Amino acid sequence: AQSVTQLGSHVSVSEGALVLLRCNYSSSVPPYLFWYVQYPNQGLQLLLKYTSAATLVKGINGFEAEFKKSETSFHLTKPSAHMSDAAEYFCAVSDDTGTASKLTFGTGTRLQVTL
Amino acid sequence: DTGVSQNPRHKITKRGQNVTFRCDPISEHNRLYWYRQTLGQGPEFLTYFQNEAQLEKSRLLSDRFSAERPKGSFSTLEIQRTEQGDSAMYLCASSRDRTIYEQYFGPGTRLTVT
Repeated sequence: AQSVTQLGSHVSVSEGALVLLRCNYSSSVPPYLFWYVQYPNQGLQLLLKYTSAATLVKGINGFEAEFKKSETSFHLTKPSAHMSDAAEYFCAVSDDTGTASKLTFGTGTRLQVTL
Repeated sequence: DTGVSQNPRHKITKRGQNVTFRCDPISEHNRLYWYRQTLGQGPEFLTYFQNEAQLEKSRLLSDRFSAERPKGSFSTLEIQRTEQGDSAMYLCASSRDRTIYEQYFGPGTRLTVT
């Protein structure tokens, strides 16, 4: 069974500071990993995905994530936070087995950006 | 892409009533997923369609829940005899075939059972 653990349900950073949101996964097969962002009362928007190509993945809005197999991690970073980055962020895992390719999500990390 | 749409966006119902939600996927996507998200949690998988065939159902999907995707286009999710524990955001997502694992989510339907 696959699972994702997001460390820190709330993260607060100052505008312009580094954003680091942590995600560790568990999977018995090579995983596909995703970061989604959710703004209040909205659906989820894909930020980036790892599908076994380059280990450093660049996404939208200046976000990137690095797949580290040895650490079973896929942490999300952004060099400089903007007020508009305040939202809920979800890490998710899927795999290439079976037919569904359903996503298993973490519990989310709420990012607060302060002036 | 016009995006995934869901209707209604909000539904308030009394316990014991039946409700039905609709999802319209991106037109060329043959995969459609339903997820449920409760407050403070990540979305949880409910069920999945490949075209019109429902290929997988989660244990979360009790007998009171039924989903359909006639003709492989839009999908409906019905909840019979609603309970307060059914209150949640119901999210629909669609994707192309398995070579592209990116799922596009709709805005969700927020259900409140009073």
